[in-house]
Amino acid sequence: AQKITQTQPGMFVQEKEAVTLDCTYDTSDPSYGLFWYKQPSSGEMIFLIYQGSYDQQNATEGRYSLNFQKARKSANLVISASQLGDSAMYFCAMSGVYGGSQGNLIFGKGTKLSVKP
Amino acid sequence: DGGITQSPKYLFRKEGQNVTLSCEQNLNHDAMYWYRQDPGQGLRLIYYSQIVNDFQKGDIAEGYSVSREKKESFPLTVTSAQKNPTAFYLCASSIGPQEPFFGQGTRLTVV
Repeated sequence: AQKITQTQPGMFVQEKEAVTLDCTYDTSDPSYGLFWYKQPSSGEMIFLIYQGSYDQQNATEGRYSLNFQKARKSANLVISASQLGDSAMYFCAMSGVYGGSQGNLIFGKGTKLSVKP
Repeated sequence: DGGITQSPKYLFRKEGQNVTLSCEQNLNHDAMYWYRQDPGQGLRLIYYSQIVNDFQKGDIAEGYSVSREKKESFPLTVTSAQKNPTAFYLCASSIGPQEPFFGQGTRLTVV
């Protein structure tokens, strides 16, 4: 069965430092997508970054990068130069579980990131 | 501005009542989704619809019903058969290979 595992319930990082949030996944489907979302205390889900299973290069979006290691089935999120506004829950998710469109996602339980001034 | 509107933001339900959560999008997205989030947990898929007049069950469809009569609208009804409906409900939409875009959510509480 497809599964996403986030082993860090909570993380602390000093402002301006980099932080890595871990995500491992399990699937037997050769075609899948991996997503990271940020959820502030207000509740909305904010898309951060996407990596396709056939993408050769690691995805980057501004201060966010995805460390994709296919053989290890890991898709860690790296946030560089942390800011106070980065404090939130972060969710790793995988598509392709139900087939069809990309929006049928399976989510991990999340990591709560706290940025210290 | 394009986006997804969920209403109401907060909803209180008495035991035994059905309630309907609204989700409207003006993004011209074909696919729409409903997710449920419990405290300290990730999101779980309730129902999804890839085209008008068609929808499929997700992981936790029991006690819920949906309709998709218009492309823009995908309302979710929480029926009395749902034994533990208190949760945060998120609606999303997507088009093609793009990432799903989420609404602001509805927090449902049983009183």
